[in-house]
Amino acid sequence: NAGVTQTPKFRILKIGQSMTLQCAQDMNHNYMYWYRQDPGMGLKLIYYSVGAGITDKGEVPNGYNVSRSTTEDFPLRLELAAPSQTSVYFCASRLSGGSTDTQYFGPGTRLTVL
Amino acid sequence: RKEVEQDPGPFNVPEGATVAFNCTYSNSASQSFFWYRQDCRKEPKLLMSVYSSGNEDGRFTAQLNRASQYISLLIRDSKLSDSATYLCVVERYSSASKIIFGSGTRLSIRP
Repeated sequence: NAGVTQTPKFRILKIGQSMTLQCAQDMNHNYMYWYRQDPGMGLKLIYYSVGAGITDKGEVPNGYNVSRSTTEDFPLRLELAAPSQTSVYFCASRLSGGSTDTQYFGPGTRLTVL
Repeated sequence: RKEVEQDPGPFNVPEGATVAFNCTYSNSASQSFFWYRQDCRKEPKLLMSVYSSGNEDGRFTAQLNRASQYISLLIRDSKLSDSATYLCVVERYSSASKIIFGSGTRLSIRP
């Protein structure tokens, strides 16, 4: 199993550009998450999904959109990139929302908006 | 006030020492608790879940105190490879899942 994969690893965007961060998992997990981590800070939840076709906002959803058309994929869309979106983005998945289920994280995408 | 608070450190301790971190949470409805480890420029990885009865995994012991609303992590006989940032995670489930990460405690083990 590849686990959770993310592409790209690094990206530099200009203000106002848009892009999609890709996330895929091959563990047949129902739950998927997008987080951002600013320097010296903990992770903040952007969006999550409990299954294909179902998405919900997390703590910091503004400026982002997601879709979940399949169990495997959970892309994150940035429209009109702003310098405040410079961060490391982590995707994660887990089998369900139960307290005993581990979240597995992808390696992250480092995004800089100039 | 942050919902989940951790001492940012850094904690700088000699190899073989015992070190403990605390993490406090403000929402009494919190239901699940975890410690994650994050190495520099890497993704977080689960270290251990934290149960009400306390749990131990080798040199690591986690405790939950619901009355005082904190969780703790104890590392005994610390190794150089324990150097990392330790993230406290608190979760609750209602109409929507709410997962809160602490900002992390940096630990550095010196030879």
